[in-house]
This record gives sequence, C-alpha cells and structure tokens, in this order.
Amino acid sequence: QVQLVESGGGVVQPGRSLRLSCAASGFSFRNYDMHWVRQAPGKGLEWVAFIRSDGINKYHADSVKGRFTVSRDNSKNTLYLQMNSLRGDDTAVFYCAKDNGYNSLDYWGQGTLVTVSS
Amino acid sequence: EIVLTQSPATLSLSPGERATLSCRASQSVNNYLAWYQQKPGQAPRLLIYDASNRATGIPARFSGSGSGTDFTLTISSLEPEDFAVYYCQQRSNWPPLTFGGGTKVEIK
Repeated sequence: QVQLVESGGGVVQPGRSLRLSCAASGFSFRNYDMHWVRQAPGKGLEWVAFIRSDGINKYHADSVKGRFTVSRDNSKNTLYLQMNSLRGDDTAVFYCAKDNGYNSLDYWGQGTLVTVSS
Repeated sequence: EIVLTQSPATLSLSPGERATLSCRASQSVNNYLAWYQQKPGQAPRLLIYDASNRATGIPARFSGSGSGTDFTLTISSLEPEDFAVYYCQQRSNWPPLTFGGGTKVEIK
C-alpha cells in the first residue's frame, strides 16, 4: 500500500535552516508528481511546493519563494524540502502528498511538525 | 490567484441528516475541484476529485457536483465518523494550488 513518511521536523530558531524528508513506498515514485502542503496550528491547509516526476519543473508558493526549495531523489524514493531563513509564521505541520494526475492529492503522509521559535 | 470561499464555516447537524457544503471560486476552475476530509490529528483524505468523482474507497454517501465557480459536496446521511472539517481545493489556474478555508461539520 502507498506510504509517505515525513521526517526532519523539530524546533528551530528564527533565521535557521531545516530539511524535511518524505520517504515514499508502495507505488512507482519516479512516475508521480509530488507536493508539500502545510497547516499552521488551528488553521487551514496551505500549498507550499510542487515538483514534477522528473524533478525538472518546480513551483513554490509566494510565501516561501526564495527561502524554500523542493527536490527529489528518485533513486531513493525520497522527496525533500530545504527550508532556509525560517520565520515564526512558518510554524506548521508539513505534509508531503502524492499527485494523482487528476488535479488533486490522493495520498498524504502523517505530517511532521516544524516549530520556529527562539 | 484563485480564491476559494467555503460556506458555511460551521454546520451543526445530527447523524442521519443530509449535509450540503458549498465552495465558490473567484473565477472559473472548470471542473478541477477536489474535496478533502480532515479529522483532528490526522492528515487530509481525498474524497472527490474533478468535481464529481469519488476517490478510491470513499462511500457512496459522499457526492460532489458543480462546475465553473460553484461546487457542492453532499453527504446524504451523516454517519458518526463524518463529523470533521472539509476543504475544497483547485488546480485550474496554477500555481498556486489553493484550498478553501474549510467547513466544520459538527454534531448538533
């Protein structure tokens, strides 16, 4: 069955960096586009980033552009999110999610919490 | 950026009742509209994609309709496990992919 397992979250000071990982299994990872979505405590869902299956096309939300970078290693079935210059309003649960090819996200990981605080 | 507005913010209903949730887009999204369910402490779960197609394993009591700018998620008869927050999402004119603010379906 499809599994997405995020890791790398934690408490980090403002201005510092963190790299999230998402280990995928149960499907042909190299053939699917992937996303990162976040959810601040008590708030709604916010799309963060997209990467095409071949890793060439990438999009980032304006709120993270220039600070966050999505990447993937298809040989390791792993998705990444490099987060630099972290701010307090980046505090959120970060989910990786699989694109189903029909304009929606059909499988989600359990999420990893990032807390930005001094 | 396409803005999705969900209404109502909260829907108070009893088990067995019919739930009707609305999602309105600031411009046409064709039928590229999805619905998700999220329970506390859990990741979102895809219910409906491309406006009216049920995702794998989703019960028939969930149905989606609409096109253009106005969409509806209907739960024909609420089960206890259906009380949750529901989000709509579009990927018509993107980036960005956007979500609505959510509708909480609570027990009356």
